[in-house]
Amino acid sequence: DAGVTQSPTHLIKTRGQQVTLRCSPKSGHDTVSWYQQALGQGPQFIFQYYEEEERQRGNFPDRFSGHQFPNYSSELNVNALLLGDSALYLCASSFGYEQFFGPGTRLTVL
Amino acid sequence: KQEVTQIPAALSVPEGENLVLNCSFTDSAIYNLQWFRQDPGKGLTSLLLIQSSQREQTSGRLNASLDKSSGRSTLYIAASQPGDSATYLCAVEKETSGSRLTFGEGTQLTVNP
Repeated sequence: DAGVTQSPTHLIKTRGQQVTLRCSPKSGHDTVSWYQQALGQGPQFIFQYYEEEERQRGNFPDRFSGHQFPNYSSELNVNALLLGDSALYLCASSFGYEQFFGPGTRLTVL
Repeated sequence: KQEVTQIPAALSVPEGENLVLNCSFTDSAIYNLQWFRQDPGKGLTSLLLIQSSQREQTSGRLNASLDKSSGRSTLYIAASQPGDSATYLCAVEKETSGSRLTFGEGTQLTVNP
């Protein structure tokens, strides 16, 4: 089992651009959550997908959107990038109560 | 709104020392609490999960306790090693949050050889 995988590992964008991050959940997991972790901070919940629907959402603007595919993999899209969007983006998958995290995607916005 | 606080923010100890990391949360209506380890620039590794009905969990040199009524958890690390150096995060799942985790800001641990 490969565990939770994320791509790409690192990404550099400029302000105003759009970005798509990808996540493949652990085998057998049907729920995917996305978190944003700024440097020196704890992760902040962005949203969660289950059965291809956004089940709940944290306090993030509509520039942040997502999608879940029938195979449970997920994408996080961020439009109109701001400098403050620079962070480590973590994906977590679960089936039940324990969550397993991927290695993250480091996004730098210049 | 659930808030999670971790004390201390940073800790430096000599190798072999036993240590305790603290986590407190404001809303005691939690479903479970998880402790994670994070190496610099990396993802999170789950260390221990304590269900709300449990008092503690143990894995090797790690022991985590939970006092739900007082809103506190501790992570005890026995006989610390340089390889334990990392940031330790605690996270709580509220009873009605559907596996949404609220994290503390972490304790950065350095174990000196």
